[in-house]
Amino acid sequence: EAQVTQNPRYLITVTGKKLTVTCSQNMNHEYMSWYRQDPGLGLRQIYYSMNVEVTDKGDVPEGYKVSRKEKRNFPLILESPSPNQTSLYFCASRQQGAHNSPLHFGNGTRLTVT
Amino acid sequence: GEDVEQSLFLSVREGDSSVINCTYTDSSSTYLYWYKQEPGAGLQLLTYIFSNMDMKQDQRLTVLLNKKDKHLSLRIADTQTGDSAIYFCAERRTGRRALTFGSGTRLQVQP
Repeated sequence: EAQVTQNPRYLITVTGKKLTVTCSQNMNHEYMSWYRQDPGLGLRQIYYSMNVEVTDKGDVPEGYKVSRKEKRNFPLILESPSPNQTSLYFCASRQQGAHNSPLHFGNGTRLTVT
Repeated sequence: GEDVEQSLFLSVREGDSSVINCTYTDSSSTYLYWYKQEPGAGLQLLTYIFSNMDMKQDQRLTVLLNKKDKHLSLRIADTQTGDSAIYFCAERRTGRRALTFGSGTRLQVQP
């Protein structure tokens, strides 16, 4: 089954404790992206990647890092989480080059930073 | 999502039609999308329309695009309780890889 898998689904952590949210897709998609969803703000893009070893900042990259060492994986790293990073995070992927190819989303990771 | 605006909430009765509206600001947008988010799940693409089209129909879904007013709507015919979800409008602007999402409209379908 074609899917985007994020882990964990829920995470509660404390300020400053480094964490990683994993994302994996099995569709051989070149393009992958991370979004955060906050009430009243819709989805905002954090980082994206056009292909292996190619990453770029989205609209709200501060406080986040990503890496793309393999095509299928695109982890999101919070080196020193802060309470304003409490949010619902979505990983997404799509085929590169086709403007109408849909974004496939994972089921989300709800992060709480205390 | 501040450049793409949607009303926050819509309530309809089962069997009625639902119309969810969206306004966007960038006239260079090439594609406009409607995504559905059910509780506890990611976003699922419902339909999309290219900017040179006025209307697109797909089973119970009708998308209308008014480029002059930068207004997009999604009509769901014969709305069912399973249509209850949050609906996001999104635009892809020329030269940008990211989609710009609205803040979402929560559709509640009452039996």
